Amino acid sequence: KAGVTQTPRYLIKTRGQQVTLSCSPISGHRSVSWYQQTPGQGLQFLFEYFSETQRNKGNFPGRFSGRQFSNSRSEMNVSTLELGDSALYLCASSFPDRVTEAFFGQGTRLTVV
Amino acid sequence: KNEVEQSPQNLTAQEGEFITINCSYSVGISALHWLQQHPGGGIVSLFMLSSGKKKHGRLIATINIQEKHSSLHITASHPRDSAVYICAVVQGAQKLVFGQGTRLTINP
Repeated sequence: KAGVTQTPRYLIKTRGQQVTLSCSPISGHRSVSWYQQTPGQGLQFLFEYFSETQRNKGNFPGRFSGRQFSNSRSEMNVSTLELGDSALYLCASSFPDRVTEAFFGQGTRLTVV
Repeated sequence: KNEVEQSPQNLTAQEGEFITINCSYSVGISALHWLQQHPGGGIVSLFMLSSGKKKHGRLIATINIQEKHSSLHITASHPRDSAVYICAVVQGAQKLVFGQGTRLTINP
């Protein structure tokens, strides 16, 4: 059974650019959550999608957005990149209707220069 | 004050020692995860607990809902256990709130 797949694994962008990250959940998992990990703030919840709808949102500015497709794959977008957006972005997939073990992807390491 | 507090933040021990990492939380939760993160970033879920105790190999996790406290124990620790261990509580539908992590180093 394939795990959670995130692409790309590494990305370097310039301030002011925008970036799109992709997450393919485990087959059958319809909930996808996104997290940001930085040395200073640790892991923080960005948002969670189920059935193409955002169900939960963390405390991040509107530059951070996401979407989910009918096949449960999800993308997150960061516009007008800032140096502070440099982080490891992780997604996790799970069944949406019960609390289950969380399955994480390997993450996308974004560096903003 | 963070909603999820872990202690210690860093822990260095010799191979074979018994390890305990603690997690306290201040919010209502539906479950608690213990996660392991190796260099490179990938996170693996070790346990999900909503009550009592779970054991998997040399790892044991306990939770006391009344005291809002969980512990992760590693018996007969080994250098390959060196990683960052993260406690995360589940709030609402699939939202995780994380502790700051405990960096564990096991020396041979």
